Amino acid sequence: DAGVIQSPRHEVTEMGQEVTLRCKPISGHDYLFWYRQTMMRGLELLIYFNNNVPIDDSGMPEDRFSAKMPNASFSTLKIQPSEPRDSAVYFCASSLGGDNSPLHFGNGTRLTVT
Amino acid sequence: AQSVTQPDIHITVSEGASLELRCNYSYGATPYLFWYVQSPGQGLQLLLKYFSGDTLVQGIKGFEAEFKRSQSSFNLRKPSVHWSDAAEYFCAVGSGGGADGLTFGKGTHLIIQP
Repeated sequence: DAGVIQSPRHEVTEMGQEVTLRCKPISGHDYLFWYRQTMMRGLELLIYFNNNVPIDDSGMPEDRFSAKMPNASFSTLKIQPSEPRDSAVYFCASSLGGDNSPLHFGNGTRLTVT
Repeated sequence: AQSVTQPDIHITVSEGASLELRCNYSYGATPYLFWYVQSPGQGLQLLLKYFSGDTLVQGIKGFEAEFKRSQSSFNLRKPSVHWSDAAEYFCAVGSGGGADGLTFGKGTHLIIQP
């Protein structure tokens, strides 16, 4: 079991550029979650999908953020245009969705916007 | 709305001493409760979870936690800490095991003194 795979591990970009973060969930997991971690706000749920369909995107900070899940094995989180305040660690997690199924997290993407 | 409070931002414990990390939650129904651990540069790893039944739950790495409904608490304990336990610990609450996003506390940073 390879676990949840995120890429890239680190991303440094200039303000105004487009950033795309990628996630491959654990095979067979029906739920996929995107979280953002900052010192000030801790871990915040941005959006989650069930069977590739977005269920709750109320945590997405603004229209500059968008997420897609074109198939069961791939999801992207895009920021366009990026701003320095978007600097954070972005985590992807997946789960089976049952009562006894916790979230499994990837190692995160550390984004720095200068 | 659900919320989690971890009152201690940092805790320092001597190696071999006992540990208790505090967690209080606010939730309208019976909560699903979790403790996760995060090592530097890594994602979150599940330590243990509570859904129902016995209020004392055992997890990995020798950790345990006790659900106390009357106190809205789910404190994490370990009888004897090891230097490798130094990490960030997060308490989380959710309404479903893995079928919706979790709400996390801000975390407690555990420092182990030799």
